[in-house]
Amino acid sequence: DAGVTQSPTHLIKTRGQQVTLRCSPKSGHDTVSWYQQALGQGPQFIFQYYEEEERQRGNFPDRFSGHQFPNYSSELNVNALLLGDSALYLCASSPRTVLYGYTFGSGTRLTVV
Amino acid sequence: AQSVAQPEDQVNVAEGNPLTVKCTYSVSGNPYLFWYVQYPNRGLQFLLKYITGDNLVKGSYGFEAEFNKSQTSFHLKKPSALVSDSALYFCAVRGLTGANNLFFGTGTRLTVIP
Repeated sequence: DAGVTQSPTHLIKTRGQQVTLRCSPKSGHDTVSWYQQALGQGPQFIFQYYEEEERQRGNFPDRFSGHQFPNYSSELNVNALLLGDSALYLCASSPRTVLYGYTFGSGTRLTVV
Repeated sequence: AQSVAQPEDQVNVAEGNPLTVKCTYSVSGNPYLFWYVQYPNRGLQFLLKYITGDNLVKGSYGFEAEFNKSQTSFHLKKPSALVSDSALYFCAVRGLTGANNLFFGTGTRLTVIP
């Protein structure tokens, strides 16, 4: 049973560019959440998708957007990249409620230069 | 607002000794608390959670945590540390009532010395 799969694993982008990160949730999970983990920090909640809609959003600017597809996979898009967007981006899936516990992917390491 | 604090950035313990990683919380409503572990260049792995019930929660890999409402703490413990337990540990609390996000602490790096 595959866990959460994220792609790519590493990415280098130039300031001002746009980036798309992808996530396939664990089998049986219909809810996908995205977190940003800056170096030396705990993960911070970006947003969560359920039934192809953004259900909840953290304190991130509109440059961060997402999408969920009918097969529950998800994308995270970041526009107008800033140096401060450099971080590990983690995708977590769960069966609808976080109280069942997240399953995290290994993350995408984004470096903005 | 929901938050957790991990007062120790680093904890060192000798192999075979008991270990404790500390976490305190501040919440509105009932606290739903979690512990996750992160190995280098990996995502987070779920260890255990407290939702309700017994204050002593048992989790994966021999870890347990004690929920203490009066001290607003949720410390992670293990009776006998292994070198392979060396990793970054995060305490987390669920967001506001009905929310489905987690607020994570800043993490505690555990090093088990052979």
